[in-house]
Amino acid sequence: EVQLVESGGALVQPGGSLRLSCAASGFTLTNYYMHWVRQAPGKGLEWVSRIKGDGGSINYADSVKGRFTVSRDNAKNTLYLRMNTLRVEDTAVYYCARDPDFGGYSDFDFWGQGTLVTVSS
Amino acid sequence: DIQMTQSPFSLSASVGDRVTITCRASQSIRNHLNWYQQKPGKAPEVLISAASNLQYGVPSRFSGSGSGTDFSLTITSLQPEDFATYYCQQSYDVPYTFGQGSKLEIK
Repeated sequence: EVQLVESGGALVQPGGSLRLSCAASGFTLTNYYMHWVRQAPGKGLEWVSRIKGDGGSINYADSVKGRFTVSRDNAKNTLYLRMNTLRVEDTAVYYCARDPDFGGYSDFDFWGQGTLVTVSS
Repeated sequence: DIQMTQSPFSLSASVGDRVTITCRASQSIRNHLNWYQQKPGKAPEVLISAASNLQYGVPSRFSGSGSGTDFSLTITSLQPEDFATYYCQQSYDVPYTFGQGSKLEIK
């Protein structure tokens, strides 16, 4: 059974750092694109970042570029999002999602339950 | 970045009704368009990929159409479990932008 379990969300002060984890089971991360998507309280979905299965391609939204870093531990089958220089506007539930990129078409077929990041003084 | 514009922002309907939500891209995305359903406090779930491909396990009352810049999601014979927020998403190019969401409420 495919499962994605996020953790690491917390209350952090502006300017602080946090690392989110997304533990995958039931499939191997290296065979899929993986994404981070966030949702501010009461707002819509915002794509954050993507990492290709072989790690050869990484992309970020302009809103987080230079502050967030996506990475992966293949041995632990776990995806990470390192978030530095956090801002109040980064407050959101953060989801990881799997993308099979089948036949050149991307969609997010499995999502984690989300982890809440609150940036506030 | 490709902008995705959904309409309506919110709509109310009754069980058994047929509803259509539209999504417009700021440039052609061919058929790289996905639809998601999100219920309060839950992660989104994909309903339709590549504009019209119904995901496994999704009821056939859901359908998607369109290509280029204009797309639609239609739900026929609304069921109580269909009242949720729906998002379109383009997967043609990163950043994979979402529409602002369409909240479907019970009339």
